[in-house]
Amino acid sequence: GAVVSQHPSRVICKSGTSVKIECRSLDFQATTMFWYRQFPKQSLMLMATSNEGSKATYEQGVEKDKFLINHASLTLSTLTVTSAHPEDSSFYICSASRSGGAETQYFGPGTRLLVL
Amino acid sequence: QQQVKQSPQSLIVQKGGISIINCAYENTAFDYFPWYQQFPGKGPALLIAIRPDVSEKKEGRFTISFNKSAKQFSLHIMDSQPGDSATYFCAASMLSGGFKTIFGAGTRLFVKA
Repeated sequence: GAVVSQHPSRVICKSGTSVKIECRSLDFQATTMFWYRQFPKQSLMLMATSNEGSKATYEQGVEKDKFLINHASLTLSTLTVTSAHPEDSSFYICSASRSGGAETQYFGPGTRLLVL
Repeated sequence: QQQVKQSPQSLIVQKGGISIINCAYENTAFDYFPWYQQFPGKGPALLIAIRPDVSEKKEGRFTISFNKSAKQFSLHIMDSQPGDSATYFCAASMLSGGFKTIFGAGTRLFVKA
């Protein structure tokens, strides 16, 4: 089956610093990658959609200057949380689609971010 | 974001019983309805999915029932086991390019041994 990995699995940082989270499709090329955020006991909220080589499309209410997304290749997307604050503490989950369609969407294991 | 409404918020079922989770959607453009299972601290994993051209899909102990006219679908877990205790999310998406998957609020299932 298709595998999506995330690194790191958890990160703790100080308020004001920037944190980068990587999402990789290990055994397939992902034309589209997605970033979700999940607060405790809540659902997954889509933050942005990115296609390789083009700018990410952000959902309403998501600050694109704070959450920088780079989809540099067909197997790698990165999410950088700039100037992180405690309210950014959350579970960040990426997913990758092999064909650009929902039937080939696979989710990563998530990254737990704690901002002190 | 277009809404997908899910109920109940939590569910307690005896071992061997049937767990039923319901969802409703609004946007008729959705044409793919997956269910995901999530354990604490893990990413969601696809459990089963259905397209609107069929009314039911069964895979092992998991069955999706789909009512296109009512814009509702449900997950039935037969012979529920303690290992099924997890959070379940329904979702709605589109099979074509430019899609995004919208999740329901989630149902926390606890199966009592």
